[in-house]
Amino acid sequence: KNEVEQSPQNLTAQEGEFITINCSYSVGISALHWLQQHPGGGIVSLFMLSSGKKKHGRLIATINIQEKHSSLHITASHPRDSAVYICAVPSPDKLIFGTGTRLQVFP
Amino acid sequence: DADVTQTPRNRITKTGKRIMLECSQTKGHDRMYWYRQDPGLGLRLIYYSFDVKDINKGEISDGYSVSRQAQAKFSLSLESAIPNQTALYFCATSGTGAYEQYFGPGTRLTVT
Repeated sequence: KNEVEQSPQNLTAQEGEFITINCSYSVGISALHWLQQHPGGGIVSLFMLSSGKKKHGRLIATINIQEKHSSLHITASHPRDSAVYICAVPSPDKLIFGTGTRLQVFP
Repeated sequence: DADVTQTPRNRITKTGKRIMLECSQTKGHDRMYWYRQDPGLGLRLIYYSFDVKDINKGEISDGYSVSRQAQAKFSLSLESAIPNQTALYFCATSGTGAYEQYFGPGTRLTVT
């Protein structure tokens, strides 16, 4: 069983839809990371959170430590949100990555 | 200028050739990492280094070697490239703490 699992693996949406990507993990963590990988390949960090909720623009990340679950929400999705979204947890000297959720948003 | 740079960005090489991928960073971080990414498998750790004298194997180190020439430079070598090493390779750096990592732009390697 993978230590970090994401769902869904693939997601398509129409512009304007509300998007939810889920991440479940089996290890104890101090923080969870959400990253975005653009079609060109570059990877950027979106959020690092250890409790509650964080918001940046149209992106919202939540975490429930007791349930070992995190969600990434995108409100009013736009084609430029099309990317692979990856969650990762530290364990213990390195990050363990989920396999990513590929999101495509169509106009 | 980018904080983490990788060279080359793209490389095509033949089976059996030795190839080196280079990574440089200006973030002043002690920790550096090499990952490979294959479709459907996510990022997998090849090697990581916490300082110049501390180098550790990751989950898929066979067929690879690394050199930490300075705090800012971490190179990955494929001693004798094989086709199943065709992948996208990323270098990353982090400070201490919860390991937020900063990624280079990636090197797309094709072994024919």
